Amino acid sequence: DGGITQSPKYLFRKEGQNVTLSCEQNLNHDAMYWYRQDPGQGLRLIYYSQIVNDFQKGDIAEGYSVSREKKESFPLTVTSAQKNPTAFYLCASGPRYQETQYFGPGTRLLVL
Amino acid sequence: GENVEQHPSTLSVQEGDSAVIKCTYSDSASNYFPWYKQELGKRPQLIIDIRSNVGEKKDQRIAVTLNKTAKHFSLHITETQPEDSAVYFCAAPLPSGSARQLTFGSGTQLTVLP
Repeated sequence: DGGITQSPKYLFRKEGQNVTLSCEQNLNHDAMYWYRQDPGQGLRLIYYSQIVNDFQKGDIAEGYSVSREKKESFPLTVTSAQKNPTAFYLCASGPRYQETQYFGPGTRLLVL
Repeated sequence: GENVEQHPSTLSVQEGDSAVIKCTYSDSASNYFPWYKQELGKRPQLIIDIRSNVGEKKDQRIAVTLNKTAKHFSLHITETQPEDSAVYFCAAPLPSGSARQLTFGSGTQLTVLP
């Protein structure tokens, strides 16, 4: 999972502002995922993509948007519609047709 | 959809003792069961996984057992060390078409006391 990078490590959002979290992988994985983790909690799926130019909503997609224009990249935008965005955001990737997922180092989003 | 329950939520053991964490799942079609270790502020790391065609898998001090009839799988850590202290998550797949989603348990905070 060293081939998955996320940036920035910390991100501060002002009220009403959209922010974008970056996720890049050089593992040639087809599938990519975004999870949200709240303190002391498990992982909740926001969005996932099995192939370029296609993505699906997860359990908590409201207030978030994604794009998958390149195989290597799966950016997540936290929109102003997400009223409680403070959390640890984890990106993951995995080979197509396999369930195994490998995680990036995460981005911690805080609201000013 | 898949529902994965994980127990216990916290576990404290003395250094050198064994630790066992158990997860139950609901979908009998599930065939892949990974375990992740997450240290404070870090990413979850895949430490071991098992597929449904085997009942047990070992890797040094860690092992995973699977009971398909009872629909549960367990993580076993022997000879625990302070560096084993972390949150451990189990997961099981959601068999929804061609998608390969995982549903995660709620996590177990393991503390190894020196």
